[in-house]
Amino acid sequence: GNSVTQMEGPVTLSEEAFLTINCTYTATGYPSLFWYVQYPGEGLQLLLKATKADDKGSNKGFEATYRKETTSFHLEKGSVQVSDSAVYFCALSASGSARQLTFGSGTQLTVLP
Amino acid sequence: DADVTQTPRNRITKTGKRIMLECSQTKGHDRMYWYRQDPGLGLQLIYYSFDVKDINKGEISDGYSVSRQAQAKFSLSLESAIPNQTALYFCATSGYEQYFGPGTRLTVT
Repeated sequence: GNSVTQMEGPVTLSEEAFLTINCTYTATGYPSLFWYVQYPGEGLQLLLKATKADDKGSNKGFEATYRKETTSFHLEKGSVQVSDSAVYFCALSASGSARQLTFGSGTQLTVLP
Repeated sequence: DADVTQTPRNRITKTGKRIMLECSQTKGHDRMYWYRQDPGLGLQLIYYSFDVKDINKGEISDGYSVSRQAQAKFSLSLESAIPNQTALYFCATSGYEQYFGPGTRLTVT
């Protein structure tokens, strides 16, 4: 079946540090890949997505590239801010749309001033 | 106004009680979902509905039931709550992208 493996947290960084959160997946066919963010006390929000190999999703300074050869979709940001503190979820949709999602376990990020 | 609303936001109930969690959406989407979130486990799909007449079980449907009262409304019921159903519950709706509600924190004592 489909599965998503995320780097375990929690991750604590200082403001302006470089962020990488690793995500690898197992799926048949050509899934779409997503990063969701969950701020404290809120539901999940879509952060970025990629629908085919070599696509790069980007939003709010975050980026992730769909790497089919390594089945990965690592999340990166060059300079994190305190306001980026949240839980980040990697997810895939094997149907090719955001219809049925398989989530990773989530990575808690805390950014210190 | 929020696209997806959930009521209640917090609920404490006792073992054996029946409880209903409600979800409404204003996106006009046909597809709706109920997820459960436990610490360190991500989100697990409980039930999903592709339209009013189509209800499907997800990964962890045992102990839960749902009702799709209208395109915009999708309710989750725990017929006889047990402590290991203590979790954060999310409703979502999708067109191409999934939109999540703010969650209901349920505690079963």
